[in-house]
Amino acid sequence: TQLLEQSPQFLSIQEGENLTVYCNSSSVFSSLQWYRQEPGEGPVLLVTVVTGGEVKKLKRLTFQFGDARKDSSLHITAAQPGDTGLYLCAGSVGTSGSRLTFGEGTQLTVNP
Amino acid sequence: DAGITQSPRHKVTETGTPVTLRCHQTENHRYMYWYRQDPGHGLRLIHYSYGVKDTDKGEVSDGYSVSRSKTEDFLLTLESATSSQTSVYFCAIARGLAGGGETQYFGPGTRLLVL
Repeated sequence: TQLLEQSPQFLSIQEGENLTVYCNSSSVFSSLQWYRQEPGEGPVLLVTVVTGGEVKKLKRLTFQFGDARKDSSLHITAAQPGDTGLYLCAGSVGTSGSRLTFGEGTQLTVNP
Repeated sequence: DAGITQSPRHKVTETGTPVTLRCHQTENHRYMYWYRQDPGHGLRLIHYSYGVKDTDKGEVSDGYSVSRSKTEDFLLTLESATSSQTSVYFCAIARGLAGGGETQYFGPGTRLLVL
C-alpha cells in the first residue's frame, strides 16, 4: 500500500508571504498530481508531474517532483487571499486506469 | 471542466435505507472512480470501473456496491445506509495526458448525511 504524507496539515500566513507544502512517500510513483479544493466543491487539478526532477510553474506556484519520484513540493510565492484552500497531493503508480493515493491535505489560509 | 455531474448534490437519509448516487460524464471516458472524503482521512477510493460492466473494489468498499451499464453513468449504492457512511462522495474520471500517462478530474460531490 502506497502512503503519501503531506505537511504541514494546517498553514496560516499573511498576504505576501511565501510558503512550501511537502508531499513525501517511501514508494515510487509514476506521476503525482496536485489539486486545490474549496469548500463545497470537488478537487480541481493544478498540475501533473511525471518525470523525476521535473519542475513546473503555474504563475506564482512552483511544483517539483523529486529525482527518485517519491516526493513532491508546492511552493507559493507572495501568497494572496485567493490562494486559500485545501491543497491535496495524489500519486499514481500506473499509466492507465490507475488508482490514486491521496495525502490528507494542507489547509492553507492566507490572511489579508 | 471534464463534463462530470453528480446527483443528488445533497441528501439526508435514515439509517437502514438504500441510497443511490449517480455520476454522469459526457466525454466517453473509460475509467471512472468513486471516492469518499472525511476529515482526517483525505480522499479514499471506494470502487472504480474500467469499462461497461467492469468494476473493482477500492480500499473502503464494504457496504457499497456499484454498477456501470452505460459508459456515461457510474452508480454508487449504499445497500443499507449507516451513520458511518455520512460523508462527501466524489466521482472522478481519468483523462490521458499529451505526453503519456493520465490524470483524474473530479465532479462537484454529493454531501450525504445518514441520521
